[in-house]
Order: sequence, then C-alpha cells, then structure tokens
Amino acid sequence: GQQVMQIPQYQHVQEGEDFTTYCNSSTTLSNIQWYKQRPGGHPVFLIQLVKSGEVKKQKRLTFQFGEAKKNSSLHITATQTTDVGTYFCAGRGAGGTSYGKLTFGQGTILTVHP
Amino acid sequence: EPEVTQTPSHQVTQMGQEVILRCVPISNHLYFYWYRQILGQKVEFLVSFYNNEISEKSEIFDDQFSVERPDGSNFTLKIRSTKLEDSAMYFCASSETGSHGYTFGSGTRLTVV
Repeated sequence: GQQVMQIPQYQHVQEGEDFTTYCNSSTTLSNIQWYKQRPGGHPVFLIQLVKSGEVKKQKRLTFQFGEAKKNSSLHITATQTTDVGTYFCAGRGAGGTSYGKLTFGQGTILTVHP
Repeated sequence: EPEVTQTPSHQVTQMGQEVILRCVPISNHLYFYWYRQILGQKVEFLVSFYNNEISEKSEIFDDQFSVERPDGSNFTLKIRSTKLEDSAMYFCASSETGSHGYTFGSGTRLTVV
C-alpha cells in the first residue's frame, strides 16, 4: 500500500533559525496536505498542494510539491516559539479510488529554543 | 469557525468491554473519517465513510470495529471487545468533499486496562 515517509523525525532550532521538513511518497499523489499538531492538540489543516511543481506561501511558511508529485517540503523562515509542534504531511493517492483517504507521514517534531 | 465535536474526551475501559466513541462532524461536510494516534506516533487511517456507507477501511479496522451514522448528525466508532493495544487517541475528521482538507475533532483518549 501507499507509504509516506517524512524526515527528520525531530528538529531542534534556536528561535530565528530556519526549519525544513521533507516528505516522500512511495506512489504518485493526487494532492498533498500539511497539518500542524500542537503538543496535546489535534492536527490542524495548513494547506493543500495539487499541481506538479506547485509552490505556496503562508507568511513565513513555504510549501512545495515536487514535479513528479511524489515529494513535498515545508520550510519555515525565522522560526518563532509559536511554531512549536509536529508537522505532518498527508498524501492522497492518485487514481480516484481513495475516497478522500489521506496517508499521513510520521511527522516532524519541531522544538524552538528562545 | 465550524468544529468537529468528539465525546468523551477521555475513556477508560476494561479489556474486553465495548466502547462507543462519538463525533459530530461539520454539518455540510460529506466525508467522515476515523484515525487513531498512539502516543507520539503517526496518525493512522482507520476508516472513511461517505453516502452512508464505508468507502475504505484499513487492515486495523477488523471485525471488532464498526461505524454508524445513526441520525444524520452523529458519527460513531464502536469497538466491540477492546484490547490493550487499542489504547490510543482516536480522532474523528470530516471534509467537505473527497479532495478538501480535513477538519479534525479534539480526539478521544481511550485507555484500555
């Protein structure tokens, strides 16, 4: 079945440093989504990427979808303590038979030291 | 901001007992899901539900599990005979269509003792 791998598992940064997490799927995706889960919280939808090579920005966050639609990245510029949490990518398989099912990566736990 | 509501927030149950986890998805959403997350680990797909029937389920979702939408607003997950390894955070989610982002509920923490 479809597998979504995410690296790194953990990232510790000083406030103000940049952060990147990478996501790779074993199969071609129809789209990829990113979620943020604060400690003790639930995943919250950040963004969806659909097109090959797509790049989207949300303030300090930049999301990319690979040309082959099998990988993606999330980059945060100048991290702040409010960025702390686990960032998950979640892919939806191509082929139109997934009925909305998302396969989540393992997540990257981001810690920001003030 | 519309929310997905889950009850209870915590449930402790004896091994072998049945539990029902309840969810109220967002009213205009058509797709409903259950996921679970064992402490600190990935979010695992259990089942998706559309048009009053299961559209997809994972290998985790065996005969012990069932889902229901009994009254057009609630969406329930039943575990018939709980095992220790069923201990996890169970998240309900809904989406407007099969290609939109999910809105997750706050989860039910299930502890099987």
